[in-house]
Amino acid sequence: AQSVTQLGSHVSVSEGALVLLRCNYSSSVPPYLFWYVQYPNQGLQLLLKYTSAATLVKGINGFEAEFKKSETSFHLTKPSAHMSDAAEYFCAVRITGANSKLTFGKGITLSVRP
Amino acid sequence: GAVVSQHPSWVICKSGTSVKIECRSLDFQATTMFWYRQFPKQSLMLMATSNEGSKATYEQGVEKDKFLINHASLTLSTLTVTSAHPEDSSFYICSARVKFGRSLVYEQYFGPGTRLTVT
Repeated sequence: AQSVTQLGSHVSVSEGALVLLRCNYSSSVPPYLFWYVQYPNQGLQLLLKYTSAATLVKGINGFEAEFKKSETSFHLTKPSAHMSDAAEYFCAVRITGANSKLTFGKGITLSVRP
Repeated sequence: GAVVSQHPSWVICKSGTSVKIECRSLDFQATTMFWYRQFPKQSLMLMATSNEGSKATYEQGVEKDKFLINHASLTLSTLTVTSAHPEDSSFYICSARVKFGRSLVYEQYFGPGTRLTVT
């Protein structure tokens, strides 16, 4: 079975500062990894995904993540935070196959201070 | 891009009544649809997986007689909360999955969610 761990529940950064949201995964087979963002009372929007191609993945809104197999990590970063980045962020893992399901981490709330 | 819609976006119902939530894939046919439940400040919990024309597969601990799922077509799935109680109040999110061509790549798209409040 696969799982993801998102340490901490809340990250606060100043506007313009680096954003780093951590995600570690566990999977017995090569995984697909995802980062989603959720704004209040809305569904999930895909930020980026890793599907065994390039290990450095660039997503929308200036976010990127690097797949590090040796560290079983897929941390999300953005060089300069914007007020509009304040939201809930979920890391998720899925293995290949028709019957595979997304497994979500518990999520991290990102706050951006002016 | 692929769009998944949900209707209604929010609903208030009285305890003991039933409420139906619709999930539609607007511009693609979904091989599989998923229903999630999300409590405040928590992650998404998968409730059930449904494939068009077959019975839904429910996750452990989810009451299939309370949360009825009908996957009528490749673009429509419904979740009916029967005999709703206040503890059923939650944010329900559907998701539709599509496979592209002969590849093994699946994409999963999420609806905007439905806020259910049972009074």
